Amino acid sequence: DAKTTQPPSMDCAEGRAANLPCNHSTISGNEYVYWYRQIHSQGPQYIIHGLKNNETNEMASLIITEDRKSSTLILPHATLRDTAVYYCIVRVSPQGGSEKLVFGKGTKLTVNP
Amino acid sequence: DTEVTQTPKHLVMGMTNKKSLKCEQHMGHRAMYWYKQKAKKPPELMFVYSYEKLSINESVPSRFSPECPNSSLLNLHLHALQPEDSALYLCASGRGTSGYNEQFFGPGTRLTVL
Repeated sequence: DAKTTQPPSMDCAEGRAANLPCNHSTISGNEYVYWYRQIHSQGPQYIIHGLKNNETNEMASLIITEDRKSSTLILPHATLRDTAVYYCIVRVSPQGGSEKLVFGKGTKLTVNP
Repeated sequence: DTEVTQTPKHLVMGMTNKKSLKCEQHMGHRAMYWYKQKAKKPPELMFVYSYEKLSINESVPSRFSPECPNSSLLNLHLHALQPEDSALYLCASGRGTSGYNEQFFGPGTRLTVL
């Protein structure tokens, strides 16, 4: 089962920052938080990941709370092309097995003109 | 080359047909994955290969048979599928299956079973 909860949908005005929250209250100390997005009918695309510290790359920023129980993905200047389903994922580590990503339901972000 | 390619893009097959989906990557990744995605649902993991060995089978029915002939190729053989197996089948690759593990996804094969 997915270890994350996200709002099912959000809207954002073009040019404004989009802040997508994620709750992962059962995260373990060595588990990364990943964010992927999926534009309609395409394969998921990696955005960013983090462990404890806040992270930033050319696509987005990731803010992780100090207790690591939640995080926020920030798209600083959303464009129409950022309309997609955004997945917050915590890796699942089965005992003795390969680790895997389990996708939750994600947030459908709609960027409006 | 930072791409995962999948062929075919679309596939229509009958319930008695045998077909195969193909996935290829040339990034030197040693982990490869098959996911199934139904409409308006998140991707669901089916199989994981690590160093060309099957390491995870998420209780997938035997009518789906994965194969990893080498580190760059991943196949999914299909036989006697049901209409409910119609979905987008996604392949992904990654450096490994432990530690930090970004996965690169292909565009998927859209499968319709009649």
